Amino acid sequence: RKEVEQDPGPFNVPEGATVAFNCTYSNSASQSFFWYRQDCRKEPKLLMSVYSSGNEDGRFTAQLNRASQYISLLIRDSKLSDSATYLCVVAYNNAGNMLTFGGGTRLMVKP
Amino acid sequence: NAGVTQTPKFQVLKTGQSMTLQCAQDMNHEYMSWYRQDPGMGLRLIHYSVGAGITDQGEVPNGYNVSRSTTEDFPLRLLSAAPSQTSVYFCASSPTGTSPEQFFGPGTRLTVL
Repeated sequence: RKEVEQDPGPFNVPEGATVAFNCTYSNSASQSFFWYRQDCRKEPKLLMSVYSSGNEDGRFTAQLNRASQYISLLIRDSKLSDSATYLCVVAYNNAGNMLTFGGGTRLMVKP
Repeated sequence: NAGVTQTPKFQVLKTGQSMTLQCAQDMNHEYMSWYRQDPGMGLRLIHYSVGAGITDQGEVPNGYNVSRSTTEDFPLRLLSAAPSQTSVYFCASSPTGTSPEQFFGPGTRLTVL
């Protein structure tokens, strides 16, 4: 079983739609959680950290459910430029060598 | 700041050949790492370094060597390339070993025939 699991998609949504991705992780001792964004044939970039209380950054909302060991990312009012692969990342601690990446969920926003 | 740079962008090797993937960063980051990305598998850590002169193995180190003689450079050596090493290789850096945000280079697409 993978340590961090994501639905690979693709999620095809029209512009303006709200879309949500989930990610589950197996290590209950995980401490830090992140969403990265990866454009086609580009490098991953940090989108946002995920805090226990949930956090929002503009149209993006991330939530963490420790009891069920899942993380979610909600994107409101989708833009064409949101088309990308979203990587769920879990860390046992904050050490860089302890990051575990999910396989990614691909989002395609259509006009 | 150029950030994290990698060369080459693309490479084709024959089985058994050796080569070095170059990675450099100009942000004075202590921590550097190498990942490989295969379809559907997520990024997997190959080797990492918490500072000049210090390296350690990640999840999938077999077939790869690294060294860190300077803060800026962290080359990855493939000793004897195999088709299973066909992948996209990303170098990443962060200010310290406990900084959660990784800054990635643009990647090297390697094909081993």
